[in-house]
Amino acid sequence: QLQLQESGPGLVKPSETLSLTCIVSGDSISSSNFPWGWIRQSPGKGLEWIGSLYYGGRTYSNPSFESRLNMAVDTSKNQFSLKLSSVTAADTAIYYCARTITYYDTVTGYYNLYYFDSWGQGTLVTVSS
Amino acid sequence: DIQMTQSPSSLSASVGDSVTITCRASQSISTLLSWYQHKPGKAPKLLIYAASNLQTGVPSRFSGSGSGTDFALTISSLQPEDFATYYCQQSSSSLTFGPGTIVEIK
Repeated sequence: QLQLQESGPGLVKPSETLSLTCIVSGDSISSSNFPWGWIRQSPGKGLEWIGSLYYGGRTYSNPSFESRLNMAVDTSKNQFSLKLSSVTAADTAIYYCARTITYYDTVTGYYNLYYFDSWGQGTLVTVSS
Repeated sequence: DIQMTQSPSSLSASVGDSVTITCRASQSISTLLSWYQHKPGKAPKLLIYAASNLQTGVPSRFSGSGSGTDFALTISSLQPEDFATYYCQQSSSSLTFGPGTIVEIK
């Protein structure tokens, strides 16, 4: 059974970089055909997709985060990571990692992101000095 | 950007009731629409994908319908464990979620 677990500091100072890791069990990141993603939920707000990445390095990101987002895979530990730079109080949120399912677009010939079928329980990150 | 809206924003219902939540996209998304259930402190759970396909393991009292811009999630015979927040999510252009619908106990 696929399980995901987020980990990282619960408190980050403004202007610094938020770093989180998602440990995957029950599936091998390096042999998975699906990308791995990050989603967040800010206080009192809904869900917001941040980005997704394949084991091979191809990434997809929400344009709202693109300029300050870095994602990577560590196959030796079967985990993937998120780094969000220059954070502000607006980045305070519960951060979730999830497996992203894709679908084949017969018109473009590309695989597109579709939905998230397995999620971690989330980790709260507060941005404050 | 494709904007997603949901209605109602919250509803109160009793165990055994049938409830319907609607989701509207700002432009046509075909059937690239998924539904999730989210309880506080828990991982969100996928219920429906491709507008009407039930995810494995999800009870059959959950059903989805719609295409284009208008979609619906129906829970027939509401159970105590169904009280939660429900989100729709489109994948036609980038990935965006609706604002959520809170289903509360009456």
